Amino acid sequence: DGGITQSPKYLFRKEGQNVTLSCEQNLNHDAMYWYRQDPGQGLRLIYYSQIVNDFQKGDIAEGYSVSREKKESFPLTVTSAQKNPTAFYLCASSGMGFTESSYNEQFFGPGTRLTVL
Amino acid sequence: AQSVTQPDIHITVSEGASLELRCNYSYGATPYLFWYVQSPGQGLQLLLKYFSGDTLVQGIKGFEAEFKRSQSSFNLRKPSVHWSDAAEYFCAVGAYAGGGADGLTFGKGTHLIIQP
Repeated sequence: DGGITQSPKYLFRKEGQNVTLSCEQNLNHDAMYWYRQDPGQGLRLIYYSQIVNDFQKGDIAEGYSVSREKKESFPLTVTSAQKNPTAFYLCASSGMGFTESSYNEQFFGPGTRLTVL
Repeated sequence: AQSVTQPDIHITVSEGASLELRCNYSYGATPYLFWYVQSPGQGLQLLLKYFSGDTLVQGIKGFEAEFKRSQSSFNLRKPSVHWSDAAEYFCAVGAYAGGGADGLTFGKGTHLIIQP
């Protein structure tokens, strides 16, 4: 089955430690995204990547880093510089629509809940 | 920059009753609009989308939405809700970026409660 996997589902870390969240997709999608979800805040875009070895900052990139060495993988590192890292993190992917009529919707993984103690 | 407003944080509906969830967007060009549903602790599932054409779009699970450009709205409707519809609903808008899709802008969500 094609889809997006995120691991682990729950993650606990001590304050001041960096932590990396995994996101893998086998949908052959070019674009991948990371969102952060807080209660009552909806989803906010952290980073996105439209092609291997390239990525762009979203609305709340401070304190986060990403890499895109392979098409199917887009790991997110939450660094110690992120002031309030406890949240639910969602990864998504989509195809690339090169015309307005072929705009692609995003497919989401099951999420990782990060708790910083 | 685009934005999305979902005016209702919580909505309570009796099982079998009709439902309408409101969504207003702000975007200078033609918007790409989506409704997603999220069960507790899960990822998001796409209900329906609007890109162009017919302003009334049909989605999965019996949902539909109507795009009204004059009102900048994209409200979600269902004629008869089931207890399994209880979830968080998100409206989102996307902007076409040359070369492909970039990130979506989401509303803060509406929590739907179904009364027996």
